[in-house]
Amino acid sequence: ETGVTQSPTHLIKTRGQQVTLRCSSQSGHNTVSWYQQALGQGPQFIFQYYREEENGRGNFPPRFSGLQFPNYSSELNVNALELDDSALYLCASSIAFNEQFFGPGTRLTVL
Amino acid sequence: GQQVMQIPQYQHVQEGEDFTRYCNSSTTLSNTQWYKQRPGGHPVFLIQLVKSGEVKKQKRLTFQFGEAKKNSSLHITATQTTDVGTYFCAGPEWSGATNKLIFGTGTLLAVQP
Repeated sequence: ETGVTQSPTHLIKTRGQQVTLRCSSQSGHNTVSWYQQALGQGPQFIFQYYREEENGRGNFPPRFSGLQFPNYSSELNVNALELDDSALYLCASSIAFNEQFFGPGTRLTVL
Repeated sequence: GQQVMQIPQYQHVQEGEDFTRYCNSSTTLSNTQWYKQRPGGHPVFLIQLVKSGEVKKQKRLTFQFGEAKKNSSLHITATQTTDVGTYFCAGPEWSGATNKLIFGTGTLLAVQP
């Protein structure tokens, strides 16, 4: 196991609602990245945080936002949920863009 | 933007057969990484390649980075049922102030006993 934890494991929301997902990174890692993985697809990079600052962003709208805390844990917030937001959300801790240590993920279902 | 392709997306083999998959990037990569994701699980890091032409081995798995650092390969010798899963390659994309890690589409390996 990587030591990266995520909560909750599963979540069901309805369209238009807001959701907050949480991630605790592996000890010694100061970089956290978030990915969205739709069924049968590869992980899609959402954004990365380093020392509490956003350090890179993928092609996701502004309603996807995040935070990193001084203890390097992180949150992913998604506003105005859409049906297409249903996916597995993965958090990964790392040192820069070297090997990513993934957590078990949060399965989000939007109805 | 950068694209990372893996073809095909599904491969079925008999146990004991070899398996090779290639990963092609539209741009030169500073490094390439390979991950394995078991059904219902999360991606697990396998290896990182940095140097042009680099070859690394992990037991029955051999990874190679192309000379031009645009493609890489994974070769599994004598597949076993424990090799079942989806194998992803990934590489960083640097674009001005935006840095991101791009994953390939993945290849699902099924091994029949």
